[in-house]
Order: sequence, then C-alpha cells, then structure tokens
Amino acid sequence: QITLKESGPTLVKPTQTLTLTCTFSGFSLSTSGVGVGWIRQPPGKALEWLALIYWDDDKRYSPSLKSRLTITKDTSKNQVVLTMTNMDPVDTATYYCARYYDSSGPHGYFDYWGQGTLVTVSS
Amino acid sequence: QSVLTQPPSVSEAPRQRVTISCSGSSSNIGNNAVNWYQQLPGKAPKLLIYYDDLLPSGVSDRFSGSKSGTSASLAISGLQSEDEADYYCAAWDDSLNGLVFGGGTKLTVL
Repeated sequence: QITLKESGPTLVKPTQTLTLTCTFSGFSLSTSGVGVGWIRQPPGKALEWLALIYWDDDKRYSPSLKSRLTITKDTSKNQVVLTMTNMDPVDTATYYCARYYDSSGPHGYFDYWGQGTLVTVSS
Repeated sequence: QSVLTQPPSVSEAPRQRVTISCSGSSSNIGNNAVNWYQQLPGKAPKLLIYYDDLLPSGVSDRFSGSKSGTSASLAISGLQSEDEADYYCAAWDDSLNGLVFGGGTKLTVL
C-alpha cells in the first residue's frame, strides 16, 4: 500500500522560508522510474506543479519559481523535502506531494497523492 | 493563464456523455503524453487517465481519454452525480522542461 503525507507549518510569515516534508511508504525512491513531486493549489484555483525529484537525484523545477525552490530526498528515511524561500501571501495554498511514476518513458504521471497541507502566509 | 487550456465548466444530465477538452501546443501535448486527474470536492486529486488513454486499475471504464495533435479529450459516459468534480489535464512541456497543468474544468451533473 502506497501512502504519502505532507507535514510542515500551517502558518508562515511573509519573507520567511517554508520547509515541507513528504513522508512516504510502500515504494522506494531508489527504484528506477520513480520520483516524488510537489504540486500546490491556492484556494479555489487550479493545480500548479512546483518541483520533481527522480530516483537518480535528477531534479526539475517550475521555471517561474525555480529561484525560490529546493527539493531534496532522503532515501533512507523515505522523505522528500521542499523548501520555498521568500514566502508571500500569494503563496497561500494547499501543498500536495505525489509519487511520480514513469512506467513507459520518457515522462510519467502522479499516481499516488498525499492528502495535502494548507499553508497560509500572513503576518 | 495556464499553458494547457480547458473550458472552465461543463454540465450535462445524468446518464449522458460529456467531453472535456485540453488544448496545448507542439511542446507539450503534441510531443508528450497527457494525463488526467479528478479532484472531488475537498479531496486530493486522483489519477484518472495516464499516457493519453490508459485507465489505472480501479478506475471505471466510463472514463476514456484520447489525443489528436496538440489537443486531448476526456470523455465520461453514463454520467453519475458522483462524477461532479474538477478535472485537470497535465503534460510535460519540453520548452519549459517541466510539468504543466490545465486550468481545470468543473463538471456539473444536472
């Protein structure tokens, strides 16, 4: 059974750095074709992809947010961490992590999602 | 403004068929697979269709996907009230070197 769960602060102040952790089980991030991504959704708005880390530690970032994002993995702990610097109220959103699976290359899909965590940016 | 364009909303009566379009370009849909996600109210998204037209295990065969050129479509037949949700298309974009989502389509079952 594959599960993912996001954790981190629910409230951050403007200009602060957000650190979110995705803890997963049921798969290994050292398996070829597997990755973990972050996606966010402002209240009432659409999904927005943020970042993706692959089993081989290759990383991809949303071009519009690349300067503010860092994604890392700890395979032994089954965790992926996303940091976002210089938070702003417009970054208020539900942040999801999801498993990315490339079963037939060159790109994959998010087949398992966490429940999401709402992060509010406010002073 | 999303890279992939979807109608904001569609509606249809129960037991009918509805299609949701997703329009892109040669750098995304035209050259890469399209995936569809269903998001029920207050829930996390769920994979509905992958690699253009494949159904994950457990997904009803009332859902189907197709692609032609730089556009893709999701069809839902035999509409049921529980199909009321937001639907998102997604694809890799070679120019952006990243994933792009559509703006989402809200389905209302009348």
